[in-house]
Amino acid sequence: ETGVTQSPTHLIKTRGQQVTLRCSSQSGHNTVSWYQQALGQGPQFIFQYYREEENGRGNFPPRFSGLQFPNYSSELNVNALELDDSALYLCASSPPGQGGTGELFFGEGSRLTVL
Amino acid sequence: EDKVVQSPLSLVVHEGDTVTLNCSYEVTNFRSLLWYKQEKKAPTFLFMLTSSGIEKKSGRLSSILDKKELFSILNITATQTGDSAVYLCAVEAGGGGSYIPTFGRGTSLIVHP
Repeated sequence: ETGVTQSPTHLIKTRGQQVTLRCSSQSGHNTVSWYQQALGQGPQFIFQYYREEENGRGNFPPRFSGLQFPNYSSELNVNALELDDSALYLCASSPPGQGGTGELFFGEGSRLTVL
Repeated sequence: EDKVVQSPLSLVVHEGDTVTLNCSYEVTNFRSLLWYKQEKKAPTFLFMLTSSGIEKKSGRLSSILDKKELFSILNITATQTGDSAVYLCAVEAGGGGSYIPTFGRGTSLIVHP
């Protein structure tokens, strides 16, 4: 059973650029959610995907968008990057039957630095 | 706006000490409270609590929820250096099939040998 994997692990971008982060959910998990964790803060919920549809969104602007694919993997896209977007981006998956709630299985994250 | 507050924000103890971490919350339509341990990057699940007064226990760790006073505590007895980590509290709330988790800032625990 493979865990949640994310790529890339680190990346550096400049203001105004766009970035795509990728996540493969744990085997058998059909719900994926994304979190932004700034230094010294707790993770903040961005959005959740279930069966390729967005199923819940946190307080993030529309330049944060996502996709879920038929194999349940997911992408997070951020347009027009700002300095404050610098953070660790965590992906988490959860198994069927939980409705995306309960225990989350997290990946190691993608560390984004915006200069 | 849903709010989760953890205290203390940081704690330094010696091996063998017992620690109590606190999590208070103000949310609309509470569903559950979860505790996670974050050592480097990926948080790992510790407990999920949905009912008041029922202690959950795993080895030296235990947790309990008070839904009347809106808080939870996480206890770690006989701490070890391997317990050094950030402990995150998250509360799920919402409804209509969509429950959004709100995390606290975490408590950073350092255990010295």
